[in-house]
Amino acid sequence: EVRLVQSGAEVKKPGESLKISCKGSGYSFSSSWIGWVRQMPGKGLEWIGIIYPGDSDTRYSPSFQGQVTISADKSITTAYLQWDSLKASDSAMYYCASPPTNGGGYFDYWGQGTLVTVSS
Amino acid sequence: SYELTQPPSVSVSPGQRATITCSGDKLGDKLTSWYQQKPGQSPVLVIYRNTRRPSGIPERFSGSISGNTATLTISGTQAMDESDYYCQAWDFNTHYVFGTGTKVTVL
Repeated sequence: EVRLVQSGAEVKKPGESLKISCKGSGYSFSSSWIGWVRQMPGKGLEWIGIIYPGDSDTRYSPSFQGQVTISADKSITTAYLQWDSLKASDSAMYYCASPPTNGGGYFDYWGQGTLVTVSS
Repeated sequence: SYELTQPPSVSVSPGQRATITCSGDKLGDKLTSWYQQKPGQSPVLVIYRNTRRPSGIPERFSGSISGNTATLTISGTQAMDESDYYCQAWDFNTHYVFGTGTKVTVL
């Protein structure tokens, strides 16, 4: 069974750094892309970026390029999304999601979400 | 940047057909998928590669595409189908883009 399990909710202050995680199991983590999606309160889904853990090939949405960093550690089948300096506007639910191993351009498995709250 | 436009809301009576559109430039050249998201839950894939339905998704959900518009149809809509729906397009250049989302209300 494919599972994506995300780290717990975070409360941070503006300017702080943060790294949230997504642990994959039940499939070949190194051979599958894994992506991140943002959902701000009461708003829609936004694609942040995606990484191929096998070689760390990473692609970002133009809207998020330079704002976040996506990484992965295939030895522990975990992907990460990190911020160097949080802003209040980063407050949102963040989902990791995985497309099928053979590609296809869609996400068939999703994590449970990590709620990030940035407030002074 | 690439944009996908959906109607903000669609209302449907139980048992009737709900139609949700998703429009984008040259959308027919991309692969479109659809997701259902209920409050407080992660999205669930209901249609992929324009017309394909994942296992476990009821047959009343179907997808189509014509020109620059993709359509999600829910035939015989049930109260449990009340949810937010998002289209999502993919190609090698733009990668993943989500639509603006549609709230389906079953009256």
